[in-house]
Amino acid sequence: AAGVIQSPRHLIKEKRETATLKCYPIPRHDTVYWYQQGPGQDPQFLISFYEKMQSDKGSIPDRFSAQQFSDYHSELNMSSLELGDSALYFCASSFAREGAKNIQYFGAGTRLSVL
Amino acid sequence: AQKVTQAQTEISVVEKEDVTLDCVYETRDTTYYLFWYKQPPSGELVFLIRRNSFDEQNEISGRYSWNFQKSTSSFNFTITASQVVDSAVYFCARRGINDYKLSFGAGTTVTVRA
Repeated sequence: AAGVIQSPRHLIKEKRETATLKCYPIPRHDTVYWYQQGPGQDPQFLISFYEKMQSDKGSIPDRFSAQQFSDYHSELNMSSLELGDSALYFCASSFAREGAKNIQYFGAGTRLSVL
Repeated sequence: AQKVTQAQTEISVVEKEDVTLDCVYETRDTTYYLFWYKQPPSGELVFLIRRNSFDEQNEISGRYSWNFQKSTSSFNFTITASQVVDSAVYFCARRGINDYKLSFGAGTTVTVRA
């Protein structure tokens, strides 16, 4: 079965550069979530989208923005990168019709290293 | 914040031993959902189980079993006859009925030695 696809898998950037992470949800899934996992940490929720509208927002820095497109894929844009942004970024998707019980399926993550 | 606590940071066992991972959660909701995810060394997060707050039946899936005790706000996970491939970080997570996000515990690193 098709899973959540994230690209790139690895990304190396310099401080103050920008980065764009992409996420392609499981087919028919209409909700996308972004999480950030620092080294040795648990995943922290950043932001989510349902039907191209922002549905919830967590501790996402103002330097980051995200959107969901008409084909349901999502992009996380990160500007003025800092060393502390180095982390594993996960995208997850789910089917909203399942309601609150829906299961979030995660991609393999994008490992961002800021030098 | 409604926390999820995994008190065990690391557990090391020898192959074929059983291992139980503890998860305790806080909630003000009457309806909520609990999850376990596995993160192997390759890094991806793999869904294992979902449990809703009004279903306290224990569940078994192969060598995995889960014990949900609403009275003690616990949702513990047992791996029976552990194998080396079970080595991973295991996360317990909670989601409220009006939440979109998952709130994770800190994770428990399980190492199974041959």
